[in-house]
Amino acid sequence: AQSVAQPEDQVNVAEGNPLTVKCTYSVSGNPYLFWYVQYPNRGLQFLLKYITGDNLVKGSYGFEAEFNKSQTSFHLKKPSALVSDSALYFCAVRDFGSGNTGKLIFGQGTTLQVKP
Amino acid sequence: ETGVTQTPRHLVMGMTNKKSLKCEQHLGHNAMYWYKQSAKKPLELMFVYNFKEQTENNSVPSRFSPECPNSSHLFLHLHTLQPEDSALYLCASSQEGGPETQYFGPGTRLLVL
Repeated sequence: AQSVAQPEDQVNVAEGNPLTVKCTYSVSGNPYLFWYVQYPNRGLQFLLKYITGDNLVKGSYGFEAEFNKSQTSFHLKKPSALVSDSALYFCAVRDFGSGNTGKLIFGQGTTLQVKP
Repeated sequence: ETGVTQTPRHLVMGMTNKKSLKCEQHLGHNAMYWYKQSAKKPLELMFVYNFKEQTENNSVPSRFSPECPNSSHLFLHLHTLQPEDSALYLCASSQEGGPETQYFGPGTRLLVL
């Protein structure tokens, strides 16, 4: 069965420092991987995705993620964190087992807290 | 977020009420989704519509009834809900066969008293 795990409930980073939010996945076949961000009382906003090609994917707001097939990971990174990056981050994987329904399986989310 | 809109943004209802949540997507997509987001729980996929046909019902209680009259509109009809149904209900859309990225609306915050 397809699954995705975010091992950290919360990540704390000082402003200006690099940040990493971890995600590991388990799929059969090639994965489609996504990162979303959710600010308080808002919907999820798409940040970036990996489908194929370069393992380093660049996305919105200066975020990037590195696909690592051998470690089955897709960690989200940013070289220099901002206080405004504080939010809830979700990793997701496309579930191809459900045919054409486009079902995404989400991790439980990681709260990123960036302190000034 | 303007690509997918949801109304109302907030809703308080009693357990005997009937209400509906509305979602509209302006992205030309052909698939729409309802998710439930409760505190301390992962996002739960409720329903999927692909080309207006329901392709997934994730064991959702019958007190939730979806309707998809066309590929741009999606409704979630609510009746005789329970307090544990209080949550943020998110709508999303995507273009199946294309980029397959799901775009989310802002959600409806539902409180059942």
